Amino acid sequence: GAVVSQHPSWVICKSGTSVKIECRSLDFQATTMFWYRQFPKQSLMLMATSNEGSKATYEQGVEKDKFLINHASLTLSTLTVTSAHPEDSSFYICSARGGGSHEKLFFGSGTQLSVL
Amino acid sequence: EDQVTQSPEALRLQEGESSSLNCSYTVSGLRGLFWYRQDPGKGPEFLFTLYSAGEEKEKERLKATLTKKESFLHITAPKPEDSATYLCAVQMTTDSWGKLQFGAGTQVVVTP
Repeated sequence: GAVVSQHPSWVICKSGTSVKIECRSLDFQATTMFWYRQFPKQSLMLMATSNEGSKATYEQGVEKDKFLINHASLTLSTLTVTSAHPEDSSFYICSARGGGSHEKLFFGSGTQLSVL
Repeated sequence: EDQVTQSPEALRLQEGESSSLNCSYTVSGLRGLFWYRQDPGKGPEFLFTLYSAGEEKEKERLKATLTKKESFLHITAPKPEDSATYLCAVQMTTDSWGKLQFGAGTQVVVTP
């Protein structure tokens, strides 16, 4: 099946620093990628929808200046958490969809961010 | 308001003890209902997509069914390796990008 690679798997950073998370579709072109956030024992909450070559669409309540999303190519989307604070500590997961298919959304393995 | 509700929150089963998980949904227009399995610290793993009421899909010990208001995931004779959190999600016809709205999940623990 299709593979979505997400890096890093975990990251620890100091408060005030920025962290970049990468999401790559390895064997298909992803016209649309989604970024989710998950707190312990809670479900996935959609943060934003990222389309290649255009600005991301953010869900209500998600700060676009804090969570910068770039989808510069059909195989790569990045999420940058700027000026991270302890409350940003969470599990971030990306998913990718190939052109024309709503059948399956493939998920990355997630990134655990801990802000000290 | 679109809602996806899963029950129970947690389920503890003996190996071989079959059970069902429930996912009820209230959406303006359903394009598809998805089931995923998630292991701790991992991303969700795709299981099934259901599109219309009456549809059923099977994979090994898992069987998913769909009605106009809910979906069930049946686990037949579960094994310890079936322990995971099972997530259901809906995709709405009103969304052109295909984003998913997830339920809170059911944590399943299967003991030997």
